[in-house]
Amino acid sequence: LAKTTQPISMDSYEGQEVNITCSHNNIATNDYITWYQQFPSQGPRFIIQGYKTKVTNEVASLFIPADRKSSTLSLPRVSLSDTAVYYCLVGDEGSGAGSYQLTFGKGTKLSVIP
Amino acid sequence: EPEVTQTPSHQVTQMGQEVILRCVPISNHLYFYWYRQILGQKVEFLVSFYNNEISEKSEIFDDQFSVERPDGSNFTLKIRSTKLEDSAMYFCASKTSSYEQYFGPGTRLTVT
Repeated sequence: LAKTTQPISMDSYEGQEVNITCSHNNIATNDYITWYQQFPSQGPRFIIQGYKTKVTNEVASLFIPADRKSSTLSLPRVSLSDTAVYYCLVGDEGSGAGSYQLTFGKGTKLSVIP
Repeated sequence: EPEVTQTPSHQVTQMGQEVILRCVPISNHLYFYWYRQILGQKVEFLVSFYNNEISEKSEIFDDQFSVERPDGSNFTLKIRSTKLEDSAMYFCASKTSSYEQYFGPGTRLTVT
């Protein structure tokens, strides 16, 4: 499993764009990059997944450079309700087929300030 | 939107007692999981279940733990003889053949 490194915490003001970068230097060819969000006392929730370049959905964007050794989760115009822990996961579960376990790190605790 | 449900939301038990945590996965999902999160720590994988059998388990999932899918809807985690260090949030998750896992709200287990 590729090891991931992300900041322990970040603060942002409401309305700002937040970018959380994750390093994964030993990512394998078959690995996908997936981000989950966890609010206090709740289960993690899938945000976005990508393999290369850029992926965008209604919640976030994921930027992956050509070497795939890092990725950046971008949250546009955050609100107080985006205060949560954000996890970057790297593994070959992106194909979906198979009962792949998720391996969570410590994540990045994002605090949105009014 | 369909969601994973878990009961109870909070379970208090004495050391050495057996507990059963219950989950109802999303109905068309094929893969089922249990994870746990000790307060202030990482979410840790316990076990995955597919086609009525365990497909993977972690070293945490020792002989004190068992899982069952007794009918077409429920998925349970049993801890035979609880220890103080079993106190944690236990999350059930499920997925189809795609990659996204859907987590339940968790059961807070407190062992006294």
